Amino acid sequence: AQSVTQLGSHVSVSEGALVLLRCNYSSSVPPYLFWYVQYPNQGLQLLLKYTSAATLVKGINGFEAEFKKSETSFHLTKPSAHMSDAAEYFCAVSVGLGDKIIFGKGTRLHILP
Amino acid sequence: GAVVSQHPSWVICKSGTSVKIECRSLDFQATTMFWYRQFPKQSLMLMATSNEGSKATYEQGVEKDKFLINHASLTLSTLTVTSAHPEDSSFYICSARDPLAGHPGSEQFFGPGTRLTVL
Repeated sequence: AQSVTQLGSHVSVSEGALVLLRCNYSSSVPPYLFWYVQYPNQGLQLLLKYTSAATLVKGINGFEAEFKKSETSFHLTKPSAHMSDAAEYFCAVSVGLGDKIIFGKGTRLHILP
Repeated sequence: GAVVSQHPSWVICKSGTSVKIECRSLDFQATTMFWYRQFPKQSLMLMATSNEGSKATYEQGVEKDKFLINHASLTLSTLTVTSAHPEDSSFYICSARDPLAGHPGSEQFFGPGTRLTVL
């Protein structure tokens, strides 16, 4: 079975500060990992995905994530937070690209002016 | 990227009625679509996997007789909530798997969601 755990249901950072959202995964097979963002009352937008091609994955809007097998982690970072980054972020895992996706519980990112 | 639409975007219905939600892949053919439910301030929970031309595969704990899924064409899947009750009020989101499934460029594309409120 696969699962993801997101540490911290709420994270607050100041505008311009580093954003770090934590995600740990559990998988019996090599995983595919994703980060999605959701704005209020909207669907999901893919930020980035790990497909085993490279451990450091760069996504949209300046976000990136690093796959660390030894730590079973896939933390999301952004060097400098913008007010527009305030949203809900979901880490997710899948056994195959295009296969069903298991989501974490989400982390709401608050940006402080 | 590929576009997935849902209709309606929101619906309010009386308890005991049935509601149909449509999920369409607008610019690609999707042999597989997924239906998720999201309660307020919670994560997305997979309800079922819908395969074109065959029966849907439901996740454990999801009532297949209550949540009817039909995937009659490569661009359309429907979710019907039968005899809806207030506890069925939720945000329902579909996703469609693109034709590159299994390839590094593959991903699921999510619809904008449908807000169901049962009075």
